[in-house]
Formats: sequence, structure tokens, C-alpha cells
Amino acid sequence: KAGVTQTPRYLIKTRGQQVTLSCSPISGHRSVSWYQQTPGQGLQFLFEYFSETQRNKGNFPGRFSGRQFSNSRSEMNVSTLELGDSALYLCASSLGPDRGTTGELFFGEGSRLTVL
Amino acid sequence: AQTVTQSQPEMSVQEAETVTLSCTYDTSESDYYLFWYKQPPSRQMILVIRQEAYKQQNATENRFSVNFQKAAKSFSLKISDSQLGDAAMYFCAYRSPYSGGGADGLTFGKGTHLIIQP
Repeated sequence: KAGVTQTPRYLIKTRGQQVTLSCSPISGHRSVSWYQQTPGQGLQFLFEYFSETQRNKGNFPGRFSGRQFSNSRSEMNVSTLELGDSALYLCASSLGPDRGTTGELFFGEGSRLTVL
Repeated sequence: AQTVTQSQPEMSVQEAETVTLSCTYDTSESDYYLFWYKQPPSRQMILVIRQEAYKQQNATENRFSVNFQKAAKSFSLKISDSQLGDAAMYFCAYRSPYSGGGADGLTFGKGTHLIIQP
């Protein structure tokens, strides 16, 4: 079974640009969530999608947005990039928000964004 | 909001010995999930072990076991017979169950860098 796939793995942007990251969940998983990982702030929750709907959102500015498609693939977008947006962006998938599931998330290898 | 605290930024252990990583959390919920995730230098986060709060029995996965103290809000990870491949960042994480009110994803601790000395 293929794991969570994130593209691109590495990218470099300049301040003011925008970026779109993609995530393909494990087959059969309907929930996708995104996390930002930085040395200073650690791992922080960005948002979670299920059935094309955003269920929850972390404490990030509106420049960070996402969406989920009918095949459960997800994209996140960051507009007007700032230096502080340099981070590893991790996508995770799970079966979905049903009671009785394990709550376990399966992570991709991440997209390393550098903002110059 | 829930918080997760890992008080050990770095731990070092000799190969084949046992090491315990500490984690405490703060929550007002009675039902939740706790996890230990491992992030090797290749960066992919891998689940090590999971504990449901309603289960009193401590979870065990081969050489990995937890000491879950619900009243104390403590969730430590014990690694027995440490191996070189155990070297990684270890993150303790909390997750609310889906109970109609939604969830806030995983709340992670800052991580513990585990070094295995040959």
C-alpha cells in the first residue's frame, strides 16, 4: 500500500511569492491534515480536511489556506510568503473522524520550503 | 487548549541499554489519544506506540512500552535494548477523539533527540 506522498519535496521561493504544496493520502484515507515544522516552534497544526470540508484550523494567518478534492488529495497554499514561512510542511492522512478509529495519523516525508 | 511538554531536549543511551523519555500533558478532557512518534533524520514521522486514555493497560509494541499515568497526566516511553536504528527525534502527541465537536489535530511536544552510542 503506497504511503502518503507529498510534492514537491524541496522548493525555494522569494518573499512575496506564493506556493502550493500537494499531498496524496493513503488509499482509502479520507482525512488529510497539515502541519508546519520549524526548529523554533516545533510542530504546529495548520488545518484538517475531511470530505472536501475544512474541519479544523490552527492558529495561522489567512495567508495559509488549503483544500481537498473529491479523491481526498489535498493542497495547501501560502500566499505572500514571508521569511518565517521557511519550514518543513508535513501532510498526514487518516481514515476519518469516526469513533472507533485509532486516531493514528500517517505522515508523508514533507515539503521543505525555503523563503529567501 | 491542550499542551504537551517534553522536558528532555536530548537523551543519550548506550546501545542495548534501556532509556525512558518523559512526556506530560495538560487537558480537561477525559477521553483522548496519546502517541509517540519517531522522526529519523530522513524526516518521515513514524508511529511508535499509541495509547487510548480509557484503557488502563499500558501499551506495548515489542521493545517499546509506555507508562501511562492518567491522574498525573504523564505518558513516558521506555525503549528496551536500544538499537542504533532507534536514533531519532521522538515526539509525544495528544489528540482529542472525534466526539461531535471536531478535533484540533495532533498537539505535539517539542521533541526529544535520542542518541544511541555504540
